[in-house]
Amino acid sequence: DAGVIQSPRHEVTEMGQEVTLRCKPISGHNSLFWYRQTMMRGLELLIYFNNNVPIDDSGMPEDRFSAKMPNASFSTLKIQPSEPRDSAVYFCASSLFGADTQYFGPGTRLTVL
Amino acid sequence: DAKTTQPPSMDCAEGRAANLPCNHSTISGNEYVYWYRQIHSQGPQYIIHGLKNNETNEMASLIITEDRKSSTLILPHATLRDTAVYYCIVRVRDDKIIFGKGTRLHILP
Repeated sequence: DAGVIQSPRHEVTEMGQEVTLRCKPISGHNSLFWYRQTMMRGLELLIYFNNNVPIDDSGMPEDRFSAKMPNASFSTLKIQPSEPRDSAVYFCASSLFGADTQYFGPGTRLTVL
Repeated sequence: DAKTTQPPSMDCAEGRAANLPCNHSTISGNEYVYWYRQIHSQGPQYIIHGLKNNETNEMASLIITEDRKSSTLILPHATLRDTAVYYCIVRVRDDKIIFGKGTRLHILP
């Protein structure tokens, strides 16, 4: 298995632009998680899905952030409009539904100028 | 979720056993102890977990005290590739993971 796949690996954009991050979970996994990591705040859970349904989005910082999971093999995290303080590494992870282990992707490093 | 306390950093000589402590004095009876690690610029990686008994796998051993208020992750023969931030997490099984600051482990050649 290729593991969790994220794209792009690096994104540089200007303030005010829309940013879309993509994630393909491991085949057969039913839970998907989006995290954000910064030096100041560490690793934060933004949102997670079970069977494509958002379960907990309490970590989503504000309305500029939205996440979707249209099917079991694809999820997006969108930021619109982007701001410099959104600069971070965004990780996607997946797990079997109700399982212990989360498998993380390589992350997307986002820089908003 | 119960809160965990870990030292911010530790050093270990290459080839020696690395023992990483974690305090979780408020852990509940149904909460598991999990360990993840994050090597620089990579996503976190699952290492091991346990409830009451000690556990061992190909990566590490987990020793949980009888009162479950603390645990130790043991890397039996540390290598330079084990340099990473190690996170100790307690959670109810299937619940979301809340990452703390972890312990930055430096393996010294």
